[in-house]
Amino acid sequence: EPEVTQTPSHQVTQMGQEVILRCVPISNHLYFYWYRQILGQKVEFLVSFYNNEISEKSEIFDDQFSVERPDGSNFTLKIRSTKLEDSAMYFCASSGDFTYEQYFGPGTRLTVT
Amino acid sequence: AQSVTQLDSQVPVFEEAPVELRCNYSSSVSVYLFWYVQYPNQGLQLLLKYLSGSTLVKGINGFEAEFNKSQTSFHLRKPSVHISDTAEYFCAVSEVQGAQKLVFGQGTRLTINP
Repeated sequence: EPEVTQTPSHQVTQMGQEVILRCVPISNHLYFYWYRQILGQKVEFLVSFYNNEISEKSEIFDDQFSVERPDGSNFTLKIRSTKLEDSAMYFCASSGDFTYEQYFGPGTRLTVT
Repeated sequence: AQSVTQLDSQVPVFEEAPVELRCNYSSSVSVYLFWYVQYPNQGLQLLLKYLSGSTLVKGINGFEAEFNKSQTSFHLRKPSVHISDTAEYFCAVSEVQGAQKLVFGQGTRLTINP
């Protein structure tokens, strides 16, 4: 069964450093998403991406964040200058056309020290 | 904008007992409804979804949920739980426009005791 994969599973970085979180969505999917879950809190939407552009973003997704689909298979989330409060589990998801069902990856745990 | 409220943060249940996890939502537009499960140290897995039609939907692992439009609820039920059902359960909604973002509730931790 096809699945969404994410790398790395755990990333530790120092405050102010740049990080790139990587995702490989399901191959025939067209819609891509990033969500995050701060420890003990609800899963929050960050951004959605379709047809090589952002379709929607939340208030959390400020200028420090960016997304890219560099090669037609990977989908990346970049945080330019990490803050302590960026520590969270980041989930990538993808969905096909008209399925309305989002498939989630296992997540990347980001720890900012 | 939508919001989702899961009324119980934790639900302890004995094995083989029935369980209901409550979910209420608020939205000014029509929504699709979902339940996701998160097992320890894993990602989110779709349990079931309501898009249209019959208000009683069946999902994986013996779970079912009923959409009640008048009460804006989408409660999750299982008639007999197993130890392996121990997990975090999230209710979520998305606007009926296709491929929209999911808005999640706070989650309910289901603990099954032997």
